[in-house]
Amino acid sequence: DAGITQSPRHKVTETGTPVTLRCHQTENHRYMYWYRQDPGHGLRLIHYSYGVKDTDKGEVSDGYSVSRSKTEDFLLTLESATSSQTSVYFCAISVGQGANSPLHFGNGTRLTVT
Amino acid sequence: SQQGEEDPQALSIQEGENATMNCSYKTSINNLQWYRQNSGRGLVHLILIRSNEREKHSGRLRVTLDTSKKSSSLLITASRAADTASYFCATDGKGGSEKLVFGKGTKLTVNP
Repeated sequence: DAGITQSPRHKVTETGTPVTLRCHQTENHRYMYWYRQDPGHGLRLIHYSYGVKDTDKGEVSDGYSVSRSKTEDFLLTLESATSSQTSVYFCAISVGQGANSPLHFGNGTRLTVT
Repeated sequence: SQQGEEDPQALSIQEGENATMNCSYKTSINNLQWYRQNSGRGLVHLILIRSNEREKHSGRLRVTLDTSKKSSSLLITASRAADTASYFCATDGKGGSEKLVFGKGTKLTVNP
């Protein structure tokens, strides 16, 4: 999977608790992305990063924050989890020269908020 | 909001037949990409076609792009049961957007 590891792979948490998902890459790529995938919605971009400490919002960023303190790690935090954030979360890296190069995806984190 | 929309939502064919999936999008693009997703896995990049290209081939895959109609098609020839997956198109923005926007996908089932 092009050196991308997502952890955990599965998580069940309670409403109102904070949750952090981790994406780790081994290849030093500049651009990293967090998407969520839901039935009927396809993949929707939450946040992305274009370098260490450089991040920006996607189309569904409310309730989420991200941090990138080093090139290889991109963290997604649900500040206070809600049932609407039950989803499968995918991290991706852009493997070419530009931001709109092909993406390599991790295998996802299935999050259930009860 | 979704940029690309795939059609049909679901497609079921017999092994050996060809499968065609379509993608329509709304705004100008630099390139369009197709991805495949097997159940329970992340998406895998299949092919990228630039806005100045009309057709591209990769093995059994053929992608066309019609920028005047803002549409693309993915053709899988001589399908196999292993091609069973969901297929997504993704588009960027003409202004060099750093973001890819994905459609909702076509679920392809190839029956042995």
